[in-house]
Amino acid sequence: DIQMTQSPSSLSASVGDRVTITCRASQSISNFLNWYQQKPGKAPKLLIYAASNLQGGVPSRFSGSGSGTDFTLTISSLQPEDFATYYCQQSYSTPFMYTFGQGTKLEIK
Amino acid sequence: QVQLQESGPGLVKPSQTLSLTCTVSGDSISSGSYYWTWIRQPAGKGLEWIGRIYTSGSPNYNPSLKSRVTMSVDTSKNQFSLKLSSVTAADTAVYYCAIVGGENSGYSFDHWGQGTLVTVSS
Repeated sequence: DIQMTQSPSSLSASVGDRVTITCRASQSISNFLNWYQQKPGKAPKLLIYAASNLQGGVPSRFSGSGSGTDFTLTISSLQPEDFATYYCQQSYSTPFMYTFGQGTKLEIK
Repeated sequence: QVQLQESGPGLVKPSQTLSLTCTVSGDSISSGSYYWTWIRQPAGKGLEWIGRIYTSGSPNYNPSLKSRVTMSVDTSKNQFSLKLSSVTAADTAVYYCAIVGGENSGYSFDHWGQGTLVTVSS
């Protein structure tokens, strides 16, 4: 199975900061990498699909990049509503198996 | 706009079968446009993919759960379902149903239900 490893596991930052979260796959997954935001008590929300495509309605301060095994999610200028947990997820695996990273909790400094 | 809603018992006894249903509104489940999937999340922990099903063809299950999982689709009710047998306390989690978008969305989970908490306890 393909393993997904996010770093850091937690992160403290301030409003206005630029933040980068990294996700690494245990083998190449091309660009089959998606990013989600989850707030407490809520379902995850799709932010970025296929590594770099912004889901409709998601603010442009969110961006994604990478291919192969290394991917990043960047928030260019943190807003108060961005404090949440972020997950990466691969949709490449054969035989078929979706896997998530362990999550990155973004907290207010 | 497609919407999803999970339903089912919130409490299941150990060794019994957990049964959940996801009702789809805003599109026909038989349209053939999507895969339908289940994901779970124990309290304070990360997300675990359970399986996916299409309106035709064989479902795909997480190998770690495959021996206990059955997913099905009921096109007449516009619903899809999850059954997880021989449950233990480790199966206590919030269970989400979701849509797997097509190739154009990177096979991402682009619509989610609100989730339903299932507790396994005697």
